[in-house]
Amino acid sequence: GQQLNQSPQSMFIQEGEDVSMNCTSSSIFNTWLWYKQDPGEGPVLLIALYKAGELTSNGRLTAQFGITRKDSFLNISASIPSDVGIYFCAGPGYGGSQGNLIFGKGTKLSVKP
Amino acid sequence: EAGVAQSPRYKIIEKRQSVAFWCNPISGHATLYWYQQILGQGPKLLIQFQNNGVVDDSQLPKDRFSAERLKGVDSTLKIQPAKLEDSAVYLCASSSWPYGYTFGSGTRLTVV
Repeated sequence: GQQLNQSPQSMFIQEGEDVSMNCTSSSIFNTWLWYKQDPGEGPVLLIALYKAGELTSNGRLTAQFGITRKDSFLNISASIPSDVGIYFCAGPGYGGSQGNLIFGKGTKLSVKP
Repeated sequence: EAGVAQSPRYKIIEKRQSVAFWCNPISGHATLYWYQQILGQGPKLLIQFQNNGVVDDSQLPKDRFSAERLKGVDSTLKIQPAKLEDSAVYLCASSSWPYGYTFGSGTRLTVV
C-alpha cells in the first residue's frame, strides 16, 4: 500500500542553524502536506503543495513538491527553540476515500539554545 | 473559530475494559475523521464520516472498535474490549473538504 518514508528520524541542532528533512514514496502523490506536532497536541498544517515542482514558503519554512511527484522536502531556516517538535509529511490516500491522509513516521527536531 | 474539541484528554484502563472518546468538530465541517497515533508513528486513519454517514472504515478493527456520528455533528469512538496494543493517542479531525484539516488535541489512552 501507500507509504511515506521520512528522513532523518531525528535531528539535534543548534539554535540558528538551518534544517532540511525529506519525504519519499514509491507511489505518486498529487498533494504533499507538511505538519508539525507539539507534545500533547494534534498536528498543525504548515505548508500544502499541490503542483509538481512547486516551491512554497511560510515564514522561515520552505517546502518543495518534487518533480517526480514521489518526494518532497521541508527546510527551516535560522531555527529557534519553538521549532522543536515532530514534523510529518502527509498525502491523500486512495482506495475510494477522499480526504483521508497517509502520514510518514515523522522527523523529531530538537534545538539546543 | 473554536477548534476541534476532544475529551477526555487522558484515560488509563485495564485490558478487556471498555472506553469511549468524544469529539466535537468545528461548526459546519461535514467531514469528521478518527485517527490512531501509536507512539513513534504518524497518525493512521480509523474511520471517516461525511455528515452522519461512514465514508471509509476499512482500517477500523470492527471486532472491537465502533464509532458513530448520529446527528452529523459530534462523534464517539468506542473500544470494547481494549487490548494492550490499543495504547495510543486517538485524534479527531474535521475538514470542510477535503483539506483544511483541523486536528483536536487528542485523547491519550493507556491500556495496562
